Amino acid sequence: GAVVSQHPSRVICKSGTSVKIECRSLDFQATTMFWYRQFPKKSLMLMATSNEGSKATYEQGVEKDKFLINHASLTLSTLTVTSAHPEDSSFYICSARDGAGGHETQYFGPGTRLLVL
Amino acid sequence: GQNIDQPTEMTATEGAIVQINCTYQTSGFNGLFWYQQHAGEAPTFLSYNVLDGLEEKGRFSSFLSRSKGYSYLLLKELQMKDSASYLCAVTDSNYQLIWGAGTKLIIKP
Repeated sequence: GAVVSQHPSRVICKSGTSVKIECRSLDFQATTMFWYRQFPKKSLMLMATSNEGSKATYEQGVEKDKFLINHASLTLSTLTVTSAHPEDSSFYICSARDGAGGHETQYFGPGTRLLVL
Repeated sequence: GQNIDQPTEMTATEGAIVQINCTYQTSGFNGLFWYQQHAGEAPTFLSYNVLDGLEEKGRFSSFLSRSKGYSYLLLKELQMKDSASYLCAVTDSNYQLIWGAGTKLIIKP
């Protein structure tokens, strides 16, 4: 099946610093990628939809100036958590939409666990 | 509003069969997905249904009835490694994925 990579897998940072997370589709082109956040024992929460070559679409309640998304190519989207605070500590997961094969399936990256001290 | 319901938790015995149900009410329908998520890991794709009927893939099968807004995931010959959360998700008319809260499946020896 399709493969999506995510880097880093785990990051610990100090409060006030910025953290960049990369999401790559390795064997298909993804015009659309999604960024999710998941709190312990909770379902996935969509943060934003990232479209190649255009601005991301943010879900209600998600600060676009805090969570910067760039989808520079058909295989790469980045999420930057700016001026991170402890409440930003979470599991961040990206997914990429593969439209081949007649239906669209989202494949997930392995996730990035962020801990802000 | 949009809503997806699935049981919070289920328990089954190794070697047995378990059926996880999912009912949905969404604005439009463009397919239903089942994902498996082990604790601390990202979800992995299991199945996709867009037409009514049963899709079989090895030990896992997924069924869809669009008229009833209903799907189930059937897991046969359960193994301990099947202990995980199973997420039902529906693509709505805007091709947005609407997620259920997930069903935690506990497998006992």
